Amino acid sequence: GENVGLHLPTLSVQEGDNSIINCAYSNSASDYFIWYKQESGKGPQFIIDIRSNMDKRQGQRVTVLLNKTVKHLSLQIAATQPGDSAVYFCAEKGAPDTGRRALTFGSGTRLQVQP
Amino acid sequence: DAGITQSPRHKVTETGTPVTLRCHQTENHRYMYWYRQDPGHGLRLIHYSYGVKDTDKGEVSDGYSVSRSKTEDFLLTLESATSSQTSVYFCAISGTAASGNTIYFGEGSWLTVV
Repeated sequence: GENVGLHLPTLSVQEGDNSIINCAYSNSASDYFIWYKQESGKGPQFIIDIRSNMDKRQGQRVTVLLNKTVKHLSLQIAATQPGDSAVYFCAEKGAPDTGRRALTFGSGTRLQVQP
Repeated sequence: DAGITQSPRHKVTETGTPVTLRCHQTENHRYMYWYRQDPGHGLRLIHYSYGVKDTDKGEVSDGYSVSRSKTEDFLLTLESATSSQTSVYFCAISGTAASGNTIYFGEGSWLTVV
């Protein structure tokens, strides 16, 4: 069956350091990947996405890397700030012709930024 | 802000009573989704809609029904609430020319079944 999971449930980093959050997926037909940030009491907030025809995409302070060979996705946050403290989820979706229109989520990684 | 409004935001109800959660969107998104979030399980798909009157089941659809009679509203109904349905429910939307595949979430509805 499908499985989207995370290697570490909690990641603690010092303010100013770079953070790397990892995610493994098992469905080789996954076509689209998203990273979300969720703060306590709020809904998931879109951070960055990447399609399967790319292996890297950069945003503001964030980079997503996709390794389709080993079915691995990572989120890199540069110069981590206290405001980055949250739970981060990876999610994946199949191509439209697979009928998998909805996202499948991993269980989440909590990022704690120490001042 | 992706123009998603969930209501009610918080509700306490008794076992066996019917409950309806509403998701309203203002930007003509084609796809709408209902997820639930529980500790240790992340977000799990309940039902989704790919158009007016077009819906399909997700991985945890038992005990839930949905309706989408117009583009902007997607209703989630618990016909007879049980304690196992105590959860946080999130609506999500996607599918406009501007947003493409990106899926945006609402702020959640906290449901407690006592």
